[in-house]
Amino acid sequence: NAGVTQTPKFRILKIGQSMTLQCTQDMNHNYMYWYRQDPGMGLKLIYYSVGAGITDKGEVPNGYNVSRSTTEDFPLRLELAAPSQTSVYFCASSYSGGDVYGYTFGSGTRLTVV
Amino acid sequence: GQQLNQSPQSMFIQEGEDVSMNCTSSSIFNTWLWYKQDPGEGPVLLIALYKAGELTSNGRLTAQFGITRKDSFLNISASIPSDVGIYFCAGLNYGGSQGNLIFGKGTKLSVKP
Repeated sequence: NAGVTQTPKFRILKIGQSMTLQCTQDMNHNYMYWYRQDPGMGLKLIYYSVGAGITDKGEVPNGYNVSRSTTEDFPLRLELAAPSQTSVYFCASSYSGGDVYGYTFGSGTRLTVV
Repeated sequence: GQQLNQSPQSMFIQEGEDVSMNCTSSSIFNTWLWYKQDPGEGPVLLIALYKAGELTSNGRLTAQFGITRKDSFLNISASIPSDVGIYFCAGLNYGGSQGNLIFGKGTKLSVKP
């Protein structure tokens, strides 16, 4: 049981480049989330999804896009990378909004924009 | 937006000492959570609190949900080297399509053997 799998683990982008951070879960969770964690800070919600075909903005959505075509996958797209997007990105999933014990985080993608 | 103030920011303690950290919020949460994050990993849930005034233990960890629903503390007794990491409090209000966590900035714990 892999849980939440994120790829890549590390990436360096040049300003203006684009990339997709991949996230997949094998727990048949309905809810999926993308958070970013800046140095010395807690995690902040970028986007979330309550099911396939449904996505919504979180606290810090600017500069990002998401899609949820399947229950398993929730990719995060950066179209024009900026230095302010240098961060560690965590994907998470849960069965429902109140499923705190099933709320599972991936191990993160460390992104540097230069 | 909602914010959680977590203190202290960092702690350096001797193995065997007890640790206490706390979190306050400007708004009410219906669930309060404590997570631990090891380097290069995502947060892992330690304790979940659901009721105002609730006191819950998990081994050497004890956490309480404040009566006002706006604060919580986490205590670690008899610390050991593997307790090293960053501890986060998080608030959760769920219902309808909600389910996102609001995190504090974390308390970095260092334990000297």
